[in-house]
Amino acid sequence: QSALTQPPSVSGSPGQSVTISCTGTSSDVGSYNRVSWYQQPPGTAPKLMIYEVSNRPSGVPDRFSGSKSGNTASLTISGLRAEDEADYYCSSYTSSSTLVFGGGTKLTVL
Amino acid sequence: QVQLQESGPGLVKPSDTLSLTCAVSGHSISSNNWWGWIRQPPGKGLEWIAYIYYSGSIFYNPSLKSRVTMSVDTSKNQFSLNLSSVTAVDTAVYYCARHYCSINSCYVDYWGQGTLVTVSS
Repeated sequence: QSALTQPPSVSGSPGQSVTISCTGTSSDVGSYNRVSWYQQPPGTAPKLMIYEVSNRPSGVPDRFSGSKSGNTASLTISGLRAEDEADYYCSSYTSSSTLVFGGGTKLTVL
Repeated sequence: QVQLQESGPGLVKPSDTLSLTCAVSGHSISSNNWWGWIRQPPGKGLEWIAYIYYSGSIFYNPSLKSRVTMSVDTSKNQFSLNLSSVTAVDTAVYYCARHYCSINSCYVDYWGQGTLVTVSS
């Protein structure tokens, strides 16, 4: 299984919005709503931010939102804050009953 | 509160087998969850390795399938990973993780803190 495709980096100023894309295939993102997103600050374990494409776990700010169209899922962070600076990873269930991650995107808050 | 803790050698020799155990507390491993492993080479992204259900069902990353085995010990509330014939490319932080998977979902909701395993002679 090939890793999902994410941009290596994105950036934005405080208060702005950024969107991170995650492109897969018809064997993963395109066939299931089992897409999730994780935030990983340096030196820490990842944290679940979005599950089932667009659902937020308890405690995750509503500034974080997710969507999907075809084989591409997206994570949008609105009202950027300095504390949002981290690496972000998407993940999808696959037709082989496994999971696959994206390559990761480094978010810089300018 | 669910907690996962990895344990195992931090240094493994090339061609040897990497063995890690994940102790689960605050939740029964015999529940409706999948228990798995994810790794992250230094400075690189996450790679999903495998997951196991307490009944023994297992799914592996196809790229690692020939070298990976997993097992679960319900009496000790823990599960394990073995990765054989390791090389330097297997050097990574290894995370154990609880997966919630259903007809509509499959995601990791709890992670261990991670343990760095270095492959070197």
